[in-house]
Amino acid sequence: EAGVAQSPRYKIIEKRQSVAFWCNPISGHATLYWYQQILGQGPKLLIQFQNNGVVDDSQLPKDRFSAERLKGVDSTLKIQPAKLEDSAVYLCASSLVVTAGDIQYFGAGTRLSVL
Amino acid sequence: AQSVAQPEDQVNVAEGNPLTVKCTYSVSGNPYLFWYVQYPNRGLQFLLKYITGDNLVKGSYGFEAEFNKSQTSFHLKKPSALVSDSALYFCAVRVEGSARQLTFGSGTQLTVLP
Repeated sequence: EAGVAQSPRYKIIEKRQSVAFWCNPISGHATLYWYQQILGQGPKLLIQFQNNGVVDDSQLPKDRFSAERLKGVDSTLKIQPAKLEDSAVYLCASSLVVTAGDIQYFGAGTRLSVL
Repeated sequence: AQSVAQPEDQVNVAEGNPLTVKCTYSVSGNPYLFWYVQYPNRGLQFLLKYITGDNLVKGSYGFEAEFNKSQTSFHLKKPSALVSDSALYFCAVRVEGSARQLTFGSGTQLTVLP
């Protein structure tokens, strides 16, 4: 079974530029998550999708971050414009269903450096 | 609000010795608790979870965790550590009945010394 795919693996941009990350979840997984992991911290949920609808985006900085999951499969997370504090690893995860006990499967992440 | 605390940033243990990685939580309601492991330049991998039932949960690679409701803890344990267990370990919590936000702790770096 193929895992969660993310691209690119690394991205370096200057502040005020825009950037986009792509995620392809495990086939058949209805739920998709985007997390931000700042160095030395645990992952923080940015947005959670159930199929192509948003379940939770309470911690997404909506003035600069946006995400979409067209057709309920792959997803794109965008930052525009980027700030220095956006430097982090952006993790995508997916799960088969959306229940409190579901197991999330993570991709390798995209490491973003904002200069 | 829900939260997780991992009081130790770093745990060092000799190979062959037992290891413990500590986790305490705070939720309003019954907790669902998880342990994930992260190797360098890789995503998080699921180790084990507690939902209900037996307080001692067994997971992958010989790891186990004990749920203690009175102490609001969910410590990760392994009887005999391997050098290959060296990694970053995260505890996470969700509230029973809620499919929303999984809250992670800040992580504990485990180093097993040969």
